[in-house]
Amino acid sequence: KQEVTQIPAALSVPEGENLVLNCSFTDSAIYNLQWFRQDPGKGLTSLLLIQSSQREQTSGRLNASLDKSSGRSTLYIAASQPGDSATYLCAVTPTASGGSYIPTFGRGTSLIVHP
Amino acid sequence: GAVVSQHPSWVICKSGTSVKIECRSLDFQATTMFWYRQFPKQSLMLMATSNEGSKATYEQGVEKDKFLINHASLTLSTLTVTSAHPEDSSFYICSANRGSEKLFFGSGTQLSVL
Repeated sequence: KQEVTQIPAALSVPEGENLVLNCSFTDSAIYNLQWFRQDPGKGLTSLLLIQSSQREQTSGRLNASLDKSSGRSTLYIAASQPGDSATYLCAVTPTASGGSYIPTFGRGTSLIVHP
Repeated sequence: GAVVSQHPSWVICKSGTSVKIECRSLDFQATTMFWYRQFPKQSLMLMATSNEGSKATYEQGVEKDKFLINHASLTLSTLTVTSAHPEDSSFYICSANRGSEKLFFGSGTQLSVL
């Protein structure tokens, strides 16, 4: 059974810092890995999707890497801003089983960026 | 990008009543939708996988008769919490994907049962 772990569970940093959020998974037979952002009381917003054949994806100040063999992904946030404060979740989608792609989520990293 | 609409955003109801939550894919056909439950400061817990035209697949420990799921069309799945009780109070989120593509989430529904 796939297990997804996110470290750290919580992070509080001053504005401007570069951040690294970690996600590890136990089964490397994945189809893709996706990073999400969740604001309090809201749904999830997709940030980056990395297919299993890819090693990284970039969007603005965000960069996500994937090392499938070691079961790790990192989300790098450059020059953090207060508006980045949210919970960041990673989800690992396994290779299809019976035609279904059912993701497994980590517990998230709660980020606070203070001015 | 693809949009998933979830309604209502929040609902307060009395114990014993039933509550229906709708999840719609607005600009694509979703053959599969997922229903999650989330407790404060916890991650998402998958409740069931909803497939259009067939019965939903429930995760272990999720009561089928308590959480009724209907996926009658390629753009709509509903979750009905029957005879709701205070312990059913939670944040419920749906998601949809197009086969193997990335997941798109609804905005969630905060259910409070008095």
